Order: sequence, then C-alpha cells, then structure tokens
Amino acid sequence: EVQLVESGGGLVQPGGSLRLSCAASGFTFSTYWMTWVRQAPGKGLEWVANIKQDGSETYYVDSVKGRFSISRDNAKNSLYLQMNNLRAEDTAMYFCAKPLSTSWDFDYWGQGALVTVSS
Amino acid sequence: QSALTQPPSASGSPGQSVVISCTGTSSDVGYYNYVSWYQQHPGKAPKLMIYEVRKRASGVPDRFSGSKSGNTASLTVSGLQAEDEADYYCSSYAGDHYFVLFGGGTKLTV
Repeated sequence: EVQLVESGGGLVQPGGSLRLSCAASGFTFSTYWMTWVRQAPGKGLEWVANIKQDGSETYYVDSVKGRFSISRDNAKNSLYLQMNNLRAEDTAMYFCAKPLSTSWDFDYWGQGALVTVSS
Repeated sequence: QSALTQPPSASGSPGQSVVISCTGTSSDVGYYNYVSWYQQHPGKAPKLMIYEVRKRASGVPDRFSGSKSGNTASLTVSGLQAEDEADYYCSSYAGDHYFVLFGGGTKLTV
C-alpha cells in the first residue's frame, strides 16, 4: 500500500524557516519524480515544487523561488522541503504527492502538514 | 501563468447529472492531453478521479467521466449520490516551466 506521511509543520514567525519531510512507502520511491503542492486555508491547490528521481533537476513556482528548496534522500525514501524567509502568504497545508509514471497527475497524496506563518 | 478557471459552485439532486467546466488556454488545457480532476472532502487530501482527460483512476465509479474541447475540459458526474458532495479541482500540465496548473475549485452540492 502506497503511503506518504508528511511531518515538520508548525507555527513560525515571518522571516523564519521550517523543513518539511515526507516519508514514502509502498512503491519504488527512487523511480518517481516527486512534488509538493500547497493549499492556503479555504483556497485552492497550488503546485509548489518538483524534483527528478535522482535529484538532478528541481523546479519551483515563481513565488517561492530563491526561498524554498526541494530535496530527496532515496536511501531513506524521503522527500523534503526547506522553507526559508517565510511569509504570511506561505501559510497553507503542504502536501507531498506522487505523480503517475506517465503524466503529471498525482495518484497518491499525503495527509498534509500545516504551516502557519504569523507573528 | 494564471490558474485554470472553474465555476465556484455546482449543484444537483440525487440521481441527476452535473457538469463542471475548467477553462485554460492554448498553452495548457488546449495544448496538452494531461488534464486531471481531483475530489476533495473537507479536511482530507485530494483524490485523483480522472487523468489524461478521460481516464478513470483506479476504483473510481464510471459515473465520473471527463472530456475536453479546445481550451475547456469538463467533468461529468452522473447519477449524483450524497457522497459526491465535495470540492472538485481540475489541473493541467503547462510545460516544463509552470508544470502543473490547478483550477480554483468547484464546490459540488448534492
């Protein structure tokens, strides 16, 4: 059974940092691109970042470029999102998601990690 | 790149059918056959319902179907059931820079 379990969310002050983790199981993690998607309270979904299977390529939505960094550890079947210089508008539930092997459609999602940026 | 456009709400009675639209541009929905639909119940993670425009994800009832015409994709839910009440989001691949665009979501009331 595929499982994605996020951790590391919490309350942080503006300008602060937080690192999210996503523990994957039930599939061959190292053979899939992985993705972070976020959802602000009461709002829609927003793609945040992608990382290639070997970590050699990463892509970000413009609003987080230079502040967020996606990474992975295939030996630990884990995905990470380092978030620096956080802003109030980064407040959201952050989901890690696994895409299908043939497209950018996400067939498995974690339960989410809530990040609240507030003073 | 802007988010895809969905109506904020849709409704129907049990047993009826409802269609939810998703409008993009010729650079995303109109160009790629990588449109998907997600169902999200309150407090839950999104669930993939339809992918690659019209393919049903594993375990999804055939009451759910997808289609596309030009820059607009559609999700049809036939034989509405109470458990179909949820938020529905469309998404489209948008190329190697923007990757995935999502719609703003449609709240379906049964």
